[in-house]
Amino acid sequence: DVKVTQSSRYLVKRTGEKVFLECVQDMDHENMFWYRQDPGLGLRLIYFSYDVKMKEKGDIPEGYSVSREKKERFSLILESASTNQTSMYLCASRSGGSGGGYTFGSGTRLTVV
Amino acid sequence: QQQVKQSPQSLIVQKGGISIINCAYENTAFDYFPWYQQFPGKGPALLIAIRPDVSEKKEGRFTISFNKSAKQFSLHIMDSQPGDSATYFCAASKSNDYKLSFGAGTTVTVRA
Repeated sequence: DVKVTQSSRYLVKRTGEKVFLECVQDMDHENMFWYRQDPGLGLRLIYFSYDVKMKEKGDIPEGYSVSREKKERFSLILESASTNQTSMYLCASRSGGSGGGYTFGSGTRLTVV
Repeated sequence: QQQVKQSPQSLIVQKGGISIINCAYENTAFDYFPWYQQFPGKGPALLIAIRPDVSEKKEGRFTISFNKSAKQFSLHIMDSQPGDSATYFCAASKSNDYKLSFGAGTTVTVRA
């Protein structure tokens, strides 16, 4: 079964800490995405990558950065965590080409205190 | 600004009833419209998708209806079951774009 694996299900971090969220996919997908999910706001795109070392900002990139050194791994970095970054973070991947659905990971619930 | 507007935010339906979720979009360049189902503690999973060359697509008890002129599409869950209780997201994208724009989600509760 194809998988998108997020390294942590739950994380608690302190304000100001640098936080790394890791995502690995085993489907050889070109495209990878980071979303955050908040009640009433749906899924909002933070960053995406369409190839190794390539990245583009999504709708809410402020306070975040990403890294994609290998095709299967896409990392989300919170440079200096703040309480308004408390959220559910979802990683997804998709095969390249037109259309097609995403495969999501199970999510990381991050709490910043 | 949300490119896809979804309603209602939540709904409760009796077992065997019909659940209906509606979505509207503005961008006429959108040409791929998937629905995702998310259970608590899980990531969303692709449920069913439609392209604008058809007005309806059915997979089992799940049907997407698409109205291109009104820029609306909806998900119908027929004979709703307690196992259908989940959050449902509509989404849309352009075929030359990597990104999906998601609706805000609808929490469906099916009472036994």
